Amino acid sequence: ETGVTQSPTHLIKTRGQQVTLRCSSQSGHNTVSWYQQALGQGPQFIFQYYREEENGRGNFPPRFSGLQFPNYSSELNVNALELDDSALYLCASSRAGGLLTDTQYFGPGTRLTVL
Amino acid sequence: AQSVTQLGSHVSVSEGALVLLRCNYSSSVPPYLFWYVQYPNQGLQLLLKYTTGATLVKGINGFEAEFKKSETSFHLTKPSAHMSDAAEYFCAVRVLGGFKTIFGAGTRLFVKA
Repeated sequence: ETGVTQSPTHLIKTRGQQVTLRCSSQSGHNTVSWYQQALGQGPQFIFQYYREEENGRGNFPPRFSGLQFPNYSSELNVNALELDDSALYLCASSRAGGLLTDTQYFGPGTRLTVL
Repeated sequence: AQSVTQLGSHVSVSEGALVLLRCNYSSSVPPYLFWYVQYPNQGLQLLLKYTTGATLVKGINGFEAEFKKSETSFHLTKPSAHMSDAAEYFCAVRVLGGFKTIFGAGTRLFVKA
């Protein structure tokens, strides 16, 4: 059983640019959640996708958007990058649509630096 | 609204000593509680979780946590620290009807030889 993978590992962008981060879910998982982890803080929930539809969103502006594909891989897109977007972006996959007892499996993250 | 507070951003223990990482939560409805560990340059790994039933939960690597509703706490313990336990630990909460997991700010555990 392969784990959750994310690409790229590191990324440097400048303010105003757009970025796409990718996540490959663990085999058999149909749900993916994205989190932003700023330096020295805990992860903050961005949104969740279940069977290609967004079914939950945290307090992030619309310039944070996502996609989930039929193979359950996922993308996080961020437009008009701001300095405060610099963070580790984590994706987590699970198999049960985000049920309370659903165990989330996290990828290693993508470190985004905005200059 | 739900929230999680982890007391102490840094905890240092000697190898072989008791590990105690504190977590308090705020929730108006019964919570589901989690502890995750994060090693450098890695994602989060689930240590243990409380859903319902027995309030003392055992996890991986010898860790356990006790849900105390009256104290709104879910402290993580391990009887004897190993050097390999040095990492960042996150307490988290989910509630019925909520999609998101809410994390605390984390506690970095240092283990001295």
